[in-house]
Formats: sequence, C-alpha cells, structure tokens
Amino acid sequence: EVQVLESGGGLVQPGNSLKLSCATSGFTFSIAWMYWYRQFPEKRLEWVARIKAKSNNYATDYTESVKGRFTISRDDSKSSIYLQMNNLKEEDTAIYYCARRGGTGAFDYWGQGVMVTVSS
Amino acid sequence: DVLMTQTPVSLPVSLGGQVSISCRSSQSLVYSDGYTYLHWYLQKPGQSPQLLIYRVSNRFSGVPDRFSGSGSGTDFTLRISRVEPEDLGVYYCLQSTHFPLTFGSGTKLEIK
Repeated sequence: EVQVLESGGGLVQPGNSLKLSCATSGFTFSIAWMYWYRQFPEKRLEWVARIKAKSNNYATDYTESVKGRFTISRDDSKSSIYLQMNNLKEEDTAIYYCARRGGTGAFDYWGQGVMVTVSS
Repeated sequence: DVLMTQTPVSLPVSLGGQVSISCRSSQSLVYSDGYTYLHWYLQKPGQSPQLLIYRVSNRFSGVPDRFSGSGSGTDFTLRISRVEPEDLGVYYCLQSTHFPLTFGSGTKLEIK
C-alpha cells in the first residue's frame, strides 16, 4: 500500500523559515518524480515544486512566486522529500501537499496535506 | 502560463443523474511524445485531491466506470453518470504538459 505523509507545518511570522517533510512508502521511491502542491484558503490549487530522480540528476523546478525562496530536496535512503521555505510571506499561507508522479504522467498518490500559516 | 478555464463553478445534480464538466486550455495540451497530459481529480471535503482520470480518458485504478473523460487539444470533458452520494465534492482538471503545471478553478458537485 502506497503511503504519503507530510509533516512540519505550523504558524510562522513573515520573513521566517519552515521546512516541510514528506515520508513515503509502498513504491520504488528512488525512481519517482516527486512534487509539492499547495491549496490556498480560497481553495485554488497551485503546483509549487518538482524534483526528478537520480537518473535525471535530481533536477528541480519551481513556480515563479517561490523561486529563490523555496528549495525542494530528497533523501532516497529515507524515501522522503523536503521543502525548505525561507522568507515566508503571508501569501504562502496554504495547505501543502506532497504527491508522486506515476508512470502515467499523472499525480496518483497524495498526502493528507499540512497547513502552513504565515502571519504576524 | 496555460490558463485552464473550468465550467460550471457549481453543478447541482439529483442522485442517479448525469452531469458534465468542461475544461478548456489556452493552448494545446498535446506533448511532444504525443500524449495529452490532462487529468481530472475529485477533492472530497477535508481530503486531498484523488485521481479519477489520467491523460484525458483513462480511469485510474478503482475508479468506477460511471466516470468518463473525453476531449482533445484544448477542449476536455468529464462526465459522471448515475451520480452517487460519494461523488459529491469539488472536481479539478490539471494539465501537466506545460510548466508551470496549472489547475482549473474547480467545479462543486452538490445535491439539487
């Protein structure tokens, strides 16, 4: 059974940092491309970041609004990915989801999400 | 960025009825490999999005055949027949052909 579990969310002040974790099991993590998404309070969904597998040199991509502030990484030995979020802004307030890109090209397994609130 | 225009915003339905949701993209979603990376998700209250349909018309594992997807290029449709209570929630289309990946704004399926 595939499992995806995010952690690390919370309340932070603008300008501060937070690191999200996503632990997975039940599939061959080392070859999977992994993604972070977020859902804003008004329910709009947005792709945040992507990290490819070792065979693709762990290439990363980010949505424009987080470039230079967020960093996605992975630890294949722990079947986990991470999202280091620096210089957080109030508009980063959202539920953050981790998802696997399956062989179909779709995102077939998602975590339950973790809430990040940026507020003074 | 590819704009995904999803309609309607809200969709009242009677149980047992049939509905259609439209998703239109601002540019073709055909990738260089020939596949069209347009997917449909259902988000039930308090849950994360769950995959229903991948690459336009393929049902994901365990998805009932009441759900069907069609379309090509820039115009796509999700159809749900014999609506059941478990189908209620918000439906989203997602394109993963072009970066950044973009979602439709969602369609809320609710009981009439």
